[in-house]
Amino acid sequence: QITLKESGPTLVKPTQTLTLTCTFSGFSFSASGVSVGWIRQPPGKALEWLALIYWDDDKLYSPSLKSRLTITKDTSKNRVVLTMTNMDPVDTATYYCAHSGVGGWFDPWGQGTLVTVSS
Amino acid sequence: DIQMTQSPSTLSASVGDRVTITCRASQSIDSWLAWYQQKPGKAPKLLIYKASSLDSGVPSRFNGSGSGTEFTLTISSLQPDDFATYYCQQFNSYSKTFGQGTKVEIK
Repeated sequence: QITLKESGPTLVKPTQTLTLTCTFSGFSFSASGVSVGWIRQPPGKALEWLALIYWDDDKLYSPSLKSRLTITKDTSKNRVVLTMTNMDPVDTATYYCAHSGVGGWFDPWGQGTLVTVSS
Repeated sequence: DIQMTQSPSTLSASVGDRVTITCRASQSIDSWLAWYQQKPGKAPKLLIYKASSLDSGVPSRFNGSGSGTEFTLTISSLQPDDFATYYCQQFNSYSKTFGQGTKVEIK
């Protein structure tokens, strides 16, 4: 059974850097084709894909946020870390991580973590 | 960057109704489309992948179709558990774009 869980601060100040960790079980980056993605959802709004990291360390980023995002993985600890710089109140959202296999769709998802950006 | 447009944004329907949601891609994505269901306060759940393949455990009243730039999600007979928001997502390109969502409300 694959499970993922997001962790990180619930409150960050404007201009600060956000660091979120996705800890997972039930799969490994040692397997070809595996990837983990980050997706966010502002309150009452739609889902927005942020970044994706593959088993071979290849990375993809949302073009609109690419300059602010960094995604890394720790294969030995089954973790994926997302950093987002220069946080702004508009970045207030629930941040999800999700598993993706060879096909590319996201399944399953973590429970999400709400991050509020406020001074 | 591929854009995904869903319609309608909101849909009011009754239990037993047949419901259709449309998702259009700004360029061809072959069949690289997924549909998710999201309930309030919960993470999205995969319903359909590769445009028409039903995920394990998903009721057969859900059906996905389409290819290229136009896709549909049909619920053949709406059940109380189906009132939720539905999102399409393309995974063809280097950017994994979501649609803006369709909320299915009780009429």
